[in-house]
Amino acid sequence: GQNIDQPTEMTATEGAIVQINCTYQTSGFNGLFWYQQHAGEAPTFLSYNVLDGLEEKGRFSSFLSRSKGYSYLLLKELQMKDSASYLCGVMDSNYQLIWGAGTKLIIKP
Amino acid sequence: GAVVSQHPSRVICKSGTSVKIECRSLDFQATTMFWYRQFPKQSLMLMATSNEGSKATYEQGVEKDKFLINHASLTLSTLTVTSAHPEDSSFYICSAREGGGGAYEQYFGPGTRLTVT
Repeated sequence: GQNIDQPTEMTATEGAIVQINCTYQTSGFNGLFWYQQHAGEAPTFLSYNVLDGLEEKGRFSSFLSRSKGYSYLLLKELQMKDSASYLCGVMDSNYQLIWGAGTKLIIKP
Repeated sequence: GAVVSQHPSRVICKSGTSVKIECRSLDFQATTMFWYRQFPKQSLMLMATSNEGSKATYEQGVEKDKFLINHASLTLSTLTVTSAHPEDSSFYICSAREGGGGAYEQYFGPGTRLTVT
């Protein structure tokens, strides 16, 4: 079966760095997405990785290792507005996105 | 960037009635649209995938006669919840993808919060 695993909840301090991990087992691989979702709102796109390595975009970076079925989202200089759920999604061989359950990130002052 | 709209954003209806939710891609042609349901504190659950001009493909466990999906044009898909019941209360989100298999990103609509009383 297809499976995406990510931690349910994480807590970090404002100004610090946090890494949210995602492991996956899917039928085929056509890229991995990270989305941010604030409570009561729709998800918004953060990053897309299809090749191994690190993609940096401002305070957010995303890493992918296809051989390990592993990705992480790195958030630097955390701000209170970063409190949200972070969804890991993998596009399978049929170009369908398979979603993890999301990681709720709580930022404390 | 690409924009997807949904209407209405919130709807309250009585049990037994039907509700239609519209999903529109505003500045691109969406060959594929997806309908998700999300219960509080849970992940997105894919309900169905629809391609323009063809019947929607429903996920296992989703009643196709209860959740009617129409993707009549490249910019519009509708989800009709028929004979709604309180357990259908949820956050319904559509997303759209342009192009064929080479277009990767899904653009999400803002969601519709349905409350059935």
